[in-house]
Amino acid sequence: DAKTTQPTSMDCAEGRAANLPCNHSTISGNEYVYWYRQIHSQGPQYIIHGLKNNETNEMASLIITEDRKSSTLILPHATLRDTAVYYCIVRFQAGTALIFGKGTTLSVSS
Amino acid sequence: ETGVTQSPTHLIKTRGQQVTLRCSSQSGHNTVSWYQQALGQGPQFIFQYYREEENGRGNFPPRFSGLQFPNYSSELNVNALELDDSALYLCASSSGAGKGGEAFFGQGTRLTVV
Repeated sequence: DAKTTQPTSMDCAEGRAANLPCNHSTISGNEYVYWYRQIHSQGPQYIIHGLKNNETNEMASLIITEDRKSSTLILPHATLRDTAVYYCIVRFQAGTALIFGKGTTLSVSS
Repeated sequence: ETGVTQSPTHLIKTRGQQVTLRCSSQSGHNTVSWYQQALGQGPQFIFQYYREEENGRGNFPPRFSGLQFPNYSSELNVNALELDDSALYLCASSSGAGKGGEAFFGQGTRLTVV
């Protein structure tokens, strides 16, 4: 079973920041938080990952709380092409299986 | 584009038949994993191959089997197909080494069992 909890769906206006929350209260000290997204009918796409520090790349920012029990994925300026299902996953390290939950369906509208 | 290619893109099979799905991993990646995604669900882990050996398996019956070749490409074989095997089958490749390496997914093979 997935070790994360995410809202089923969220809406965001185009050009605004999309903040997607994830709860992972049972995360262990050496587990990473990964985010993937899946646009309709495509394979999942890696977005970002982190251990305990906040991370930023060209796609998004990842904010992990100090107790590591929750995190937030931030898409700073959402576009229509960001409409997708977003999955938050915890895993020990690269090379282990990705356990997907149901994810959050983000709908970006103009 | 991730560099992970899967074939075929779509396939229709009859219940009881056998099917082979193929995956070419991204250059430099030695780990391939397979996932099954039923309609409206998240992908479910089937198994993973690292340097031609299976090194992890999800809750799938033995009629789901696989191979990884010396060039790190991979096959997923499903015997005695059932209607519930209808799904999108996804292949992902990764370097499998060290911490933090992400997995790159192909576009998937849509299997329909009738």
